[in-house]
Amino acid sequence: KQEVTQIPAALSVPEGENLVLNCSFTDSAIYNLQWFRQDPGKGLTSLLLIQSSQREQTSGRLNASLDKSSGRSTLYIAASQPGDSATYLCAVGSGYALNFGKGTSLLVTP
Amino acid sequence: GAVVSQHPSWVICKSGTSVKIECRSLDFQATTMFWYRQFPKQSLMLMATSNEGSKATYEQGVEKDKFLINHASLTLSTLTVTSAHPEDSSFYICSASVSESNYGYTFGSGTRLTVV
Repeated sequence: KQEVTQIPAALSVPEGENLVLNCSFTDSAIYNLQWFRQDPGKGLTSLLLIQSSQREQTSGRLNASLDKSSGRSTLYIAASQPGDSATYLCAVGSGYALNFGKGTSLLVTP
Repeated sequence: GAVVSQHPSWVICKSGTSVKIECRSLDFQATTMFWYRQFPKQSLMLMATSNEGSKATYEQGVEKDKFLINHASLTLSTLTVTSAHPEDSSFYICSASVSESNYGYTFGSGTRLTVV
């Protein structure tokens, strides 16, 4: 069974800092990995999707990398802003439904 | 594109009553939809896989008679929580794959269920 772990569980940074969120998974046989953002009481917003054959994806200030062999992914957020405050979820797709980590709760202070 | 609409966004019901949650794919057809549940500060846990025209597949520990899933068309799946109890209070969210799993998943906005 695929286990997905996200570190840290919570993170507080001042505005403008660059930061890295970590995700690890136990089974490297994946189709893709997806990063989501979840605001309190809301649904999920897809940020980046990395296919198993890809190493990274970029969207604006976000960059996600994937190292299948080591079972790791990172989400890099550049020049953080207070509006980035949310929970970030890593989810691994193995050809069926997604397996989620517990998320990293990010707070960016002005 | 690839929008999933989920209703209602929140609902409060009395213990013992049933609640229906709808999940619609607005601009694509979804032969498979997924229902997740999320408790506070916990991850999303898959409850069941909804297949158009056939019975849903439930994850271990999920009572199929309590959480009724119907996927009557390629754009609509419903989850009915029957005889709701306070411990069923949670955030329920549906998801669909645009086509095959290699294209990622899109999620509904979720339903906050509170059973009093």
